[in-house]
This record gives sequence, structure tokens and C-alpha cells, in this order.
Amino acid sequence: KAGVTQTPRYLIKTRGQQVTLSCSPISGHRSVSWYQQTPGQGLQFLFEYFSETQRNKGNFPGRFSGRQFSNSRSEMNVSTLELGDSALYLCASSQEATNEKLFFGSGTQLSVL
Amino acid sequence: AQTVTQSQPEMSVQEAETVTLSCTYDTSENNYYLFWYKQPPSRQMILVIRQEAYKQQNATENRFSVNFQKAAKSFSLKISDSQLGDTAMYFCAFMSWGAGGTSYGKLTFGQGTILTVHP
Repeated sequence: KAGVTQTPRYLIKTRGQQVTLSCSPISGHRSVSWYQQTPGQGLQFLFEYFSETQRNKGNFPGRFSGRQFSNSRSEMNVSTLELGDSALYLCASSQEATNEKLFFGSGTQLSVL
Repeated sequence: AQTVTQSQPEMSVQEAETVTLSCTYDTSENNYYLFWYKQPPSRQMILVIRQEAYKQQNATENRFSVNFQKAAKSFSLKISDSQLGDTAMYFCAFMSWGAGGTSYGKLTFGQGTILTVHP
């Protein structure tokens, strides 16, 4: 069974641009969560989707948004990029509606110049 | 709000020896899970072990075991017979569950402990 796949692995953008990151969950998993990892703030929860519905959201500005498609694939969008958005963005999927076990992808490393 | 604290920024151990990583947490929730994840240089977060708070028995997974002290809100990870492949950043994490569903998908992580296994 393939694991969680995130694309692209690396991304370089400039301030003010927008970016879209993609996450394909493990087959059969219906929940997708997104996390931001930085050296200063550590790992922070962005949002979670289950069956195309956002069920939970972390404390991030509205520039961070996401969506989930009917095949459970998810995308995360960041608009008007700031230097502080440079981070590793991790996606995790879970089979259960109660998220008892989260399985992570290898992440997308975003650099904002 | 929940907090997770890992007080050891770095640890090192010789191959084949045993090492224990510490984690404490703070919560007012009654229903929750605790996890240890490892993040090697490949950056992928790998689930090492999970503990349900309602279970008194400590979880074990091969060479990995936990010491879960619910009253003390302590959740340490013991790695036996350490291997070079265990070298990674280890994160302790917390997730509550139950009424309200406000914790869906939300893991609260500690700051991590870098473990280096020396040959």
C-alpha cells in the first residue's frame, strides 16, 4: 500500500505570490490533516478535512486555506506569501473518523524569498 | 489548552544500549491518546508507538516501550537495543477525543528530542 504522497517536495516562491501544495492520502483513508513545521515554532496544526468537510482549524490567518476532493486528496493554499511562511508543510492521513492513528508524508519544503 | 514538554533537546546512546526519552503533558481532558513519532533526516514523521489514556497497561512495540504515568502526566519512551537507524528527532504528541470533536486531526507536539546512536 502506498504511503501518504506530498507534491512537490521542494518549492521556492517570492513574497506576495501564492502557492498550492498537494497531498494524496493512503488508499482508503478519508481524513487529511495539515501541519506546519518551523525551527522556531515547531509543529503546528493547520486544519483537518474528512469527507470533503473541514472539521477543525488551527490558529493561522485566513491566507492559509485548504480543501479536500471526493477522492480524499487534499490541497493547501497559501496566498500573499510572507517570509515567515517558509517551512516544512506536512500532511497526514487517517482511516478512522476519530483520527486514532495519523500517518504522515515526507512534506513539502517551502522557501519564500 | 494542552501543552507537551520534552525537556531533553538532545540525547546520545551507544549502539545496543538502552535510552529513555522524557515527555510531560498538561491537559484537563479525560479522553486522549499519546504518541511518539520519529522524524529521521528524510523528514517523514513515522509513528513509533501509541497509548490510549484509558488503558493502564503500557504500550510496547518490539524494542520500543512507554512508561505512562497518568496521574503525573508523564509519558516516557524507552528504546532497547538501540540501533543506528534509531538516530532521528523524536516527538511526543497528544490528541484529545470525545464530545465536541474539536480535536479532529489535531496533534499537539512537544519540541522534540534529537537522538543520536553512536556505533
